[in-house]
This record gives sequence, structure tokens and C-alpha cells, in this order.
Amino acid sequence: AQTVTQSQPEMSVQEAETVTLSCTYDTSESDYYLFWYKQPPSRQMILVIRQEAYKQQNATENRFSVNFQKAAKSFSLKISDSQLGDAAMYFCAYIGVVDDMRFGAGTRLTVKP
Amino acid sequence: DAGVIQSPRHEVTEMGQEVTLRCKPISGHDYLFWYRQTMMRGLELLIYFNNNVPIDDSGMPEDRFSAKMPNASFSTLKIQPSEPRDSAVYFCASSLGNLGQGFYREKFDFGYTFGSGTRLTVV
Repeated sequence: AQTVTQSQPEMSVQEAETVTLSCTYDTSESDYYLFWYKQPPSRQMILVIRQEAYKQQNATENRFSVNFQKAAKSFSLKISDSQLGDAAMYFCAYIGVVDDMRFGAGTRLTVKP
Repeated sequence: DAGVIQSPRHEVTEMGQEVTLRCKPISGHDYLFWYRQTMMRGLELLIYFNNNVPIDDSGMPEDRFSAKMPNASFSTLKIQPSEPRDSAVYFCASSLGNLGQGFYREKFDFGYTFGSGTRLTVV
């Protein structure tokens, strides 16, 4: 099975600043998707951004962008102009042709006012 | 669409009792997944269905757990008998297609949509 690793259990950022959350994954597949999900205290899993492996261009959704390094199997999430509402657990997820969605352990992001 | 709907939102039960969790997927989604989230193990896939048929139940922890999908709009996850170590948040998710199905690939571009989860406490 593929593995997803988030090496930062906790991160903090000052409001309006930029923060980057790290994610690496292990796979032998060439065709797959990567996702970042946000889980606020309400516990709802919210899709933040997705990246298709065969697309070289990094995905962007408003203040959220990714740095996808396919050769390095790295998929980091950058949050610009951080807001108090960004405080949550963030999960990196992988889905391939063989495997269903697998999640990392999560990074808890704190936003300081 | 109302999204993926799970019930109940919270469940507290005594050890040994039967627990049934319910899920209504998004209309038209042909895949349904059950996940369990705990502090120790994170998010684990328990079982998933395609067109109401169970495809992979290798994540179901033991025979006390069972899942059914009698029709396209309803699924249940049952634990009988329940134990304190079953305490967790149980998520249901649905998707339109799956990456492994080349025919459906063009429909699979939004990932999985999750319900709000059921927090189960077994005392």
C-alpha cells in the first residue's frame, strides 16, 4: 500500500503571514491524485485543493497553492495571507489506480492573531 | 445537493450493545466509503462499495463489524457487540467514479466528499 507522511505534527503562523505544510508520499504508480483536506473543530473534512500527477502545473485555489515535486514525491501546501479561520487539522491524501484514498497523520495548524 | 448525510452525529452506548451508523451518499455517486478516525491510527479505510456491492472490506477490524448498502442511497455500518476500543469518529464518504476506472476517469476530479461523521463512544 502507498504511504503518506506528514512530518510536522503541529505548525503555527501569524495572521496574514504565509505558512507551508509538508507532505511526502511513497508510490510506484505514475498515475495518481493528491489532495489536501482541512478538518476544523467541527470535524467536517473539507477538500482544499487537488493535484493530478500528470499535470506539471501546480494547483492553486485562491490563497492555497501547492508545490508538487513528482520526482521527489513531495506535495506541500502553501497558505498565503493566513486567516484565523484557517486554523484546523490539515491532511494530505493520495489516491492511485490501485489504492483508494490514503491519508497522512495530519498537521495541526494554529493561527495567531 | 445536501452532501453526504450521516446519522447520528453522536452515539454513546454501553459495551456489548449493538450500534448502527447510517449514511446517505450524494445522489449519483457510485462509490461509498467508510472510514474510522482515531488519535492513534488516524484515518483508516474500513470498507468501500461500488454500485452497492462491497469491493474491499480488508480494513474491517474484525467480525464484530459489518456494513451493508441495500440501495444506492443508503448504507449502514454495524458493530455488534461494541467494545470501548471501538470509540472513534466514523466517516462516510462518496465519490463519482474512481481513479482506477479509466472509463470514469473524466468524472473523477473532485476527490471524495465526506459526511460530518459520527462520534461513537462506547462506555
